[in-house]
Amino acid sequence: KQEVTQIPAALSVPEGENLVLNCSFTDSAIYNLQWFRQDPGKGLTSLLLIQSSQREQTSGRLNASLDKSSGRSTLYIAASQPGDSATYLCAVFAGGTSYGKLTFGQGTILTVHP
Amino acid sequence: EAQVTQNPRYLITVTGKKLTVTCSQNMNHEYMSWYRQDPGLGLRQIYYSMNVEVTDKGDVPEGYKVSRKEKRNFPLILESPSPNQTSLYFCASSLRWRGQGSSGANVLTFGAGSRLTVL
Repeated sequence: KQEVTQIPAALSVPEGENLVLNCSFTDSAIYNLQWFRQDPGKGLTSLLLIQSSQREQTSGRLNASLDKSSGRSTLYIAASQPGDSATYLCAVFAGGTSYGKLTFGQGTILTVHP
Repeated sequence: EAQVTQNPRYLITVTGKKLTVTCSQNMNHEYMSWYRQDPGLGLRQIYYSMNVEVTDKGDVPEGYKVSRKEKRNFPLILESPSPNQTSLYFCASSLRWRGQGSSGANVLTFGAGSRLTVL
């Protein structure tokens, strides 16, 4: 059974810092990995999707990398802003015969102080 | 506006009273899925559907049923709700469950959530 772990569970940084969020998964037979953002009381918003054949994806100040062989992904946020404060979740779409199954990590709560 | 719509957004009910949480998308998406979110346990997949009449269990399907008779709708049915089903529920959809050329086809769009309390 796929297990997804996110470290750290919470992170508090001053505005302007560059930061890295980590996601690890136990089964490397994945189809893709997605990063989401969740604001309090709201639904999830997709940030980046990395297919299993890709190494990284970029969108604005966000960069996500994937090392499938080691079961790791990182989300890099450049020049953090207070508006980046939210919970960040990674999720893994299963490959192989478990297609359609999606497993989430428990998230990293990010607080960016002005 | 392209969106995933869940109803009701909030519901308080009693043990054993059957209820349905509806999920509808207007994007012609093939893949739809349901999740529950609980403190300390995160988001867990309940059921998913690759297309009309094709559904399968996620990690926590016990106590739930789903159906996919139309492409746009994927209702979650609690036949006999119990207090341990008190949770925040999310529906999500994507154009494909497998990308065919475009990774964007797999990007999930989530509904706003349905907070269910079973007394």
